[in-house]
Amino acid sequence: GEDVEQSLFLSVREGDSSVINCTYTDSSSTYLYWYKQEPGAGLQLLTYIFSNMDMKQDQRLTVLLNKKDKHLSLRIADTQTGDSAIYFCAESIENTDKLIFGTGTRLQVFP
Amino acid sequence: DGGITQSPKYLFRKEGQNVTLSCEQNLNHDAMYWYRQDPGQGLRLIYYSQIVNDFQKGDIAEGYSVSREKKESFPLTVTSAQKNPTAFYLCASKGSNQPQHFGDGTRLSIL
Repeated sequence: GEDVEQSLFLSVREGDSSVINCTYTDSSSTYLYWYKQEPGAGLQLLTYIFSNMDMKQDQRLTVLLNKKDKHLSLRIADTQTGDSAIYFCAESIENTDKLIFGTGTRLQVFP
Repeated sequence: DGGITQSPKYLFRKEGQNVTLSCEQNLNHDAMYWYRQDPGQGLRLIYYSQIVNDFQKGDIAEGYSVSREKKESFPLTVTSAQKNPTAFYLCASKGSNQPQHFGDGTRLSIL
């Protein structure tokens, strides 16, 4: 079945770049998403990439997609303390509106 | 102000009691979703509805029920058959060719 995997924790110093990685199994995924969740809150859509793209950049965020390896990454440039949160990777399932989520990566930014 | 509203933010259930979580959206989205989030896990799909008066079971539907009588509303009932209901519940909605957008969640606890 479909599965999405992420590492559980990432700790970075303020001002450095953060790279959060994700692997997925469904090669027919149409879109891949990154969501951010702050404590006690819902999920905020950060960015998404269509499966026929390799890269998407949006201000401090860069998404890289390697379809061959089924690997997705989110790079946050100049990481700030306000970026501390849980980041979820999700893949869409072809011909449905359903998403499969990873377990989330907790990003901690220290001064 | 367009968005997805979940209420209440916190909810307590006694043993053997059914409780209903509210989800309302004014985004004119056709599709709506309910997810359950447990610590250290990703989101798991409970039920979803792609159109009014129709809904489908997700991966963990046992012990839950839903209705979709209006486009704007997709309430979730946690029944007494759900033996481990303590979790964070998230509602989402989705328009055509758009990503899913989430509410702020309801935290359900057992008394």
